[in-house]
Amino acid sequence: EIVLTQSPGSLSLSPGERATLSCRASQTVSSSYLAWYQQKPGQAPRLLIYGASSRATGIPDRFSGSGSGTDFTLTISRLEPEDFAVYYCQQYGSSPLFTFGPGTKVDIK
Amino acid sequence: QVQLQESGPGLVKPSETLSLTCTVSGGSISPYYWNWIRQPPGKGLEWVGYIYYSGSTNYNPSLESRLTISVDTSKNQFSLKLSSVTAADTAMYYCARLVVTATGGAFDIWGQGTMVSVSS
Repeated sequence: EIVLTQSPGSLSLSPGERATLSCRASQTVSSSYLAWYQQKPGQAPRLLIYGASSRATGIPDRFSGSGSGTDFTLTISRLEPEDFAVYYCQQYGSSPLFTFGPGTKVDIK
Repeated sequence: QVQLQESGPGLVKPSETLSLTCTVSGGSISPYYWNWIRQPPGKGLEWVGYIYYSGSTNYNPSLESRLTISVDTSKNQFSLKLSSVTAADTAMYYCARLVVTATGGAFDIWGQGTMVSVSS
């Protein structure tokens, strides 16, 4: 099983600041199968990034993904008030077929 | 646009079977993979399993012995049955569509979720 570790566990930032979230895998993950999701309280997760770096439909360009192998990063270039949420990374391809990281909570400083 | 809606009992007794249905509206159930993902209160996400529109399945090994996912293409629905439930199965259950392309695979559409509690 590929275990995903996300750091930091939580991040306190101000609107306008840059957020850098890390996702590390216990084994190599195909870049095609690393995704990022945003979840706000009381809502379902929303797909942000797939294929490690491709933005999903309708996702603003302040969100970007990068990385390969075992180290992946989600960057939010300038935080907007609606970006304060929990972010999960997810891999596809190893049994179990899909696993999620534990999440990084981005809250307002 | 495609929308997903979960339905089913919100309370299940221990040792009984949890049954949920996801209805797909605004689009066809083919040719996609349809998934169940759950989230215990205050915790992270766990993939439960998927069914392809043709009926092939893949389950999380940790749940496989208790899990059945089925599809009814005539109703544009797919369903989950989880037997012998315990309090550990208490969670928000989401249905979600998996899209697999040459540039990646991810869950692009999610239902709003339905909370299921296991309690006597």
